[in-house]
Amino acid sequence: SQKIEQNSEALNIQEGKTATLTCNYTNYSPAYLQWYRQDPGRGPVFLLLIRENEKEKRKERLKVTFDTTLKQSLFHITASQPADSATYLCALLNSGGYQKVTFGTGTKLQVIP
Amino acid sequence: EADIYQTPRYLVIGTGKKITLECSQTMGHDKMYWYQQDPGMELHLIHYSYGVNSTEKGDLSSESTVSRIRTEHFPLTLESARPSHTSQYLCASSDSRAFFGQGTRLTVV
Repeated sequence: SQKIEQNSEALNIQEGKTATLTCNYTNYSPAYLQWYRQDPGRGPVFLLLIRENEKEKRKERLKVTFDTTLKQSLFHITASQPADSATYLCALLNSGGYQKVTFGTGTKLQVIP
Repeated sequence: EADIYQTPRYLVIGTGKKITLECSQTMGHDKMYWYQQDPGMELHLIHYSYGVNSTEKGDLSSESTVSRIRTEHFPLTLESARPSHTSQYLCASSDSRAFFGQGTRLTVV
């Protein structure tokens, strides 16, 4: 069966350090892998998208890697700040027509001052 | 930034009432989704649509129904609300990325 797995345990990290979140998937052939941020009581907000033929993508303090052999993506936040505290979700869009965006369960990040 | 709107934002309603949650998007996306989410819990897909007159049930069984008569509009209906339907309902649309509305927090008393 298809699965998108993220660490369900919260990640606590000291301010200024790099936070690294993991997303593993099985039985998908994603054309795109995406990361979203969700704050309590609000819908997820798109952060970054990486295509199947890309290895790495950066945006300001954010970096995403995508390894289609390992079926894994890593999401890094460098120089983390308390304002980065939120739940982060990865999502996949499979290749082929009539495919929907499918979300993982999310990992809660807490940045401690 | 996202042009997707949900109404109402908050709704408190009695058991047995019929309710419709509205969702509209102006981005011309073919794909639209309804999710149910309880506080601190994961998103659960309850309905999605690939386009006009195309709707399918999601991974989480739901007593709600949806319709897609126009590209921009994807309402969700509960024929008879029950306390177990109390939750937050999030609507989204997507091209390669998903855009979410602000959500409807439903309380059934």
